[in-house]
Amino acid sequence: AQSVTQPDIHITVSEGASLELRCNYSYGATPYLFWYVQSPGQGLQLLLKYFSGDTLVQGIKGFEAEFKRSQSSFNLRKPSVHWSDAAEYFCAAGASAGTALIFGKGTTLSVSS
Amino acid sequence: GAVVSQHPSWVICKSGTSVKIECRSLDFQATTMFWYRQFPKQSLMLMATSNEGSKATYEQGVEKDKFLINHASLTLSTLTVTSAHPEDSSFYICSARDDRDYGYTFGSGTRLTVV
Repeated sequence: AQSVTQPDIHITVSEGASLELRCNYSYGATPYLFWYVQSPGQGLQLLLKYFSGDTLVQGIKGFEAEFKRSQSSFNLRKPSVHWSDAAEYFCAAGASAGTALIFGKGTTLSVSS
Repeated sequence: GAVVSQHPSWVICKSGTSVKIECRSLDFQATTMFWYRQFPKQSLMLMATSNEGSKATYEQGVEKDKFLINHASLTLSTLTVTSAHPEDSSFYICSARDDRDYGYTFGSGTRLTVV
C-alpha cells in the first residue's frame, strides 16, 4: 500500500540552528512529493514540491528538500531556523499529477531561544 | 497565487442537525477537489474525491450517506455532514486541484464542533 512516513513526531531546534525533517515514502513508482506547513487551526501552506528533474528543490521561507530515490526519501532542510518556523510540517505524496495526496503523520517543530 | 476559500471557518451545531461546508476556488477552475479530515494532533485523512458533475469517490470507511459531497460547478464543492454527532467533531479541510497545472491549493479549514 502507498504510504508516507515521517519518523519524527516532535523536534526541538534552537533558533539559528539547522533543521532536517525526515520523510520516507512507499510507492510503486516515484510519486509526486510535497512539503506543507500548518500553523494551529489553519490550513496548509505549500513549502515546496518535487515532480522530476533536479533532486534538490528550493522552496519558500528558505526551505529546501532533497529527493533520494535510493533511500525513498524526501527530507526537508533549513540552514537557520527562526522562531516563526515553529509549526506542524507535513510530507505528502501523490501517485501522479492531480491524484489525491497521502499525508504523513506530521512533525511538530518547536524552536527554542 | 491560487486561492481557495473555505466557509465557515468554525461552526458549532447541535447533535442531529446537518452542517454544510463550502470550498470555493476563487481564481481558477477545479474539476477535482478533495476533502480531508484532521483529528487533533494528527494527520490529514482523505475522505473523498469530488469531481464536478459526477458522484464523489469515497475512501474506505467513510459513510457516503453521512458526508454528502456535491460538486455542482468548476469552482465550488460542498460537504454536508448530515445528522451530526459529537464523534463527527473534527477539522475538515478541502483541497482544490487547479485544472491548469494540477497544483493543489488548500482551504483554511473548518472546525466543526457537535454538542
